[in-house]
Amino acid sequence: SQTIHQWPATLVQPVGSPLSLECTVEGTSNPNLYWYRQAAGRGLQLLFYSVGIGQISSEVPQNLSASRPQDRQFILSSKKLLLSDSGFYLCAWSISQGNTEAFFGQGTRLTVV
Amino acid sequence: GENVEQHPSTLSVQEGDSAVIKCTYSDSASNYFPWYKQELGKRPQLIIDIRSNVGEKKDQRIAVTLNKTAKHFSLHITETQPEDSAVYFCAAFSGSARQLTFGSGTQLTVLP
Repeated sequence: SQTIHQWPATLVQPVGSPLSLECTVEGTSNPNLYWYRQAAGRGLQLLFYSVGIGQISSEVPQNLSASRPQDRQFILSSKKLLLSDSGFYLCAWSISQGNTEAFFGQGTRLTVV
Repeated sequence: GENVEQHPSTLSVQEGDSAVIKCTYSDSASNYFPWYKQELGKRPQLIIDIRSNVGEKKDQRIAVTLNKTAKHFSLHITETQPEDSAVYFCAAFSGSARQLTFGSGTQLTVLP
């Protein structure tokens, strides 16, 4: 069966520090991968999505970046965090065709102080 | 890209009443429309979905309708219970863009 792992679950980082959140998927090949951000009490904002290794599409220009170094690994990064980067970050995957259920990781609650 | 609008942002109903949440989408190439339920502090989980070749789908107390011509779809929850209280998200998958775009969410509160 397929599983998705996302870590860490919580993170407190000072302004200006770097960020690296990792997401891995098991039990499937060539998944679509997504990073979403959810500000407190708000909706799910699509940040990045990837349909294959090295293929990243950005939806919102900002100081975040994403990489997919391996088929089932998706990394969200920042060189310098801003206060506005605080939120709940969710990784998700779906099969490569995409028009099926997306499965979410447990999420990372990031607080920038 | 795809734009999904969801209404209302908050909804309170009495236990046993029905709840309806509506969404519209912009990309005519979208062909898959899931609905997710997110409880506080947890990940969103799929509750029902519908594809563009179907107009209505029902699963016990939950139903979804799709109007492709008008580009809108709705979630219907009947006989609501307190455990239905959560944030509900609609989404649309665009086959051309190959991305899943979510609505802004609806906070549903079922009052006992």
